[in-house]
Amino acid sequence: AQSVTQPDIHITVSEGASLELRCNYSYGATPYLFWYVQSPGQGLQLLLKYFSGDTLVQGIKGFEAEFKRSQSSFNLRKPSVHWSDAAEYFCAVGPNSGGYQKVTFGIGTKLQVIP
Amino acid sequence: GAGVSQSPSNKVTEKGKDVELRCDPISGHTALYWYRQSLGQGLEFLIYFQGNSAPDKSGLPSDRFSAERTGGSVSTLTIQRTQQEDSAVYLCASSFLQEQYFGPGTRLTVT
Repeated sequence: AQSVTQPDIHITVSEGASLELRCNYSYGATPYLFWYVQSPGQGLQLLLKYFSGDTLVQGIKGFEAEFKRSQSSFNLRKPSVHWSDAAEYFCAVGPNSGGYQKVTFGIGTKLQVIP
Repeated sequence: GAGVSQSPSNKVTEKGKDVELRCDPISGHTALYWYRQSLGQGLEFLIYFQGNSAPDKSGLPSDRFSAERTGGSVSTLTIQRTQQEDSAVYLCASSFLQEQYFGPGTRLTVT
């Protein structure tokens, strides 16, 4: 069965600093990978997704993520964090196959941005 | 276009009462999920519907919880004999090509 690990429950960064949120997955083949964001009091929104092709994917709000098959990782990055990026971030994995296609979420990483 | 809608947006109920939460997915989305999010917690998977297949109920926390999806569209999550620990935000998401579109959630408070 697929699974997702987000090892950092809570991260604090200074505004303007770079950010990397870690995500590791377990799946027998190349999966579909997603990052979602939930801002305070807001619903969940898709940031970016990887299905195939270029392993570096660009998303909204200046975020990017890189799929590394050898490390079973899909880390989220942003070169310069803004105060509005404070939110909870969820990594998710889904099977790259037909039939049963349930997506599994990680437990989330809460990002705090300090001045 | 219209997104995923959920009703009611807020529900306050007394312990022991039954509640029904409704989700209207995006038209044409074959998959639908229910999640629970307790205060300060991540997403807790409850149930997954995909097309005409039998739903994956592996996340339902007890037999007080049930859900159905009629005609491959609207879904209802029912909680019987509510308990205080059921207080949470219940999120619905419909899915196309595994990308999930979330509704705004129903905030359930059990008093």
